[in-house]
Amino acid sequence: GENVEQHPSTLSVQEGDSAVIKCTYSDSASNYFPWYKQELGKRPQLIIDIRSNVGEKKDQRIAVTLNKTAKHFSLHITETQPEDSAVYFCAAPLYSGAGSYQLTFGKGTKLSVIP
Amino acid sequence: DAGVTQSPTHLIKTRGQQVTLRCSPISGHKSVSWYQQVLGQGPQFIFQYYEKEERGRGNFPDRFSARQFPNYSSELNVNALLLGDSALYLCASSSGQGAYNEQYFGPGTRLLVL
Repeated sequence: GENVEQHPSTLSVQEGDSAVIKCTYSDSASNYFPWYKQELGKRPQLIIDIRSNVGEKKDQRIAVTLNKTAKHFSLHITETQPEDSAVYFCAAPLYSGAGSYQLTFGKGTKLSVIP
Repeated sequence: DAGVTQSPTHLIKTRGQQVTLRCSPISGHKSVSWYQQVLGQGPQFIFQYYEKEERGRGNFPDRFSARQFPNYSSELNVNALLLGDSALYLCASSSGQGAYNEQYFGPGTRLLVL
């Protein structure tokens, strides 16, 4: 079936190092790829997204890259800080039938930034 | 400007009961989507409503139903509750229809079924 796979499930980095989280998707028609950050007990918050007309997008320490041919996209966090510790989810619109698409999430990556 | 709001924040029910969860979207947003998030997993799509009509349905049983009101607020109903329905139920609003629009989540309703 249609799905979004996310790796790794957990990631520990030293403060100041970079973190990379990768996702693959199955629907070649998908062209919108958001990333959400969810802190413990809180709502998922959109941190960055990319549409398929560009290959990379940056916002300060966060960047997302997209490879449509390979159907994968990645989140890059540079100069990590303890407040970056959270669960990160990627998502993609996958076809769900009857002409509609549903936003499908990966299983999440728990990022721990060690001071 | 207020964000997405949901009520109640927490709820405890027993098996077989029915529950209604409520969501108010960001002002000006006409689309509301509902998600179920089981502990340790990503949100799973349940429904999307746009302009008061159902525009998408995820792989959930008919015990789950929803509706959207003229003011674009929404309710999610779950009948005949099972233990496995225990989860965080998230509502997200967006300005446009479909999964290609930025979605903004509410704080969620945490449902525990005993």
